[in-house]
Amino acid sequence: GQQLNQSPQSMFIQEGEDVSMNCTSSSIFNTWLWYKQDPGEGPVLLIALYKAGELTSNGRLTAQFGITRKDSFLNISASIPSDVGIYFCAGLDPGTYKYIFGTGTRLKVLA
Amino acid sequence: ETGVTQSPTHLIKTRGQQVTLRCSSQSGHNTVSWYQQALGQGPQFIFQYYREEENGRGNFPPRFSGLQFPNYSSELNVNALELDDSALYLCASSPGGRGQRDTEAFFGQGTRLTVV
Repeated sequence: GQQLNQSPQSMFIQEGEDVSMNCTSSSIFNTWLWYKQDPGEGPVLLIALYKAGELTSNGRLTAQFGITRKDSFLNISASIPSDVGIYFCAGLDPGTYKYIFGTGTRLKVLA
Repeated sequence: ETGVTQSPTHLIKTRGQQVTLRCSSQSGHNTVSWYQQALGQGPQFIFQYYREEENGRGNFPPRFSGLQFPNYSSELNVNALELDDSALYLCASSPGGRGQRDTEAFFGQGTRLTVV
């Protein structure tokens, strides 16, 4: 099925470091969502973006809606062990109103 | 806690059998979407229901069907189960209004289906 490209696929970082990940698409989206998923759980919504260029924060998380509307970025500052998990981006297809999910970025934080 | 609940949490079925998964949406939400998430992959859209009518479908065969009830809860039915149907099935509810935030999708914890 259709998926967005996320990078990196996985990353190990030290506690306290900042983390950046991105999501790219060949299609334009009107809405970008970022989710975190822990093992055996459903995705939890972190940040929603609605306008090209928009920059939105949620605590230590900051996400941006790319100007071209074909990409989005998520930054986590001062990572802590509980940031471990898989982060997914999702773009809302304006024609079908279904969300297309990224391939995920697996984050591991070393204490 | 999203207020979206799914049942059962785990299920084991035999190839060829049929299965029904259930979802209660968040209070005030009239839109429910179902996703299939294979191991190591992102969720894949199956279909969406808005006010009891199907409102979009992904690339899944007709043996995947659904229902939405007047209280906006929903069921996903899969007939003639195949081994590849083994996955985490996620339900997401959205407010379904016309505002930007009304498209935000809130997920349940999922149902882990294993087909043997």
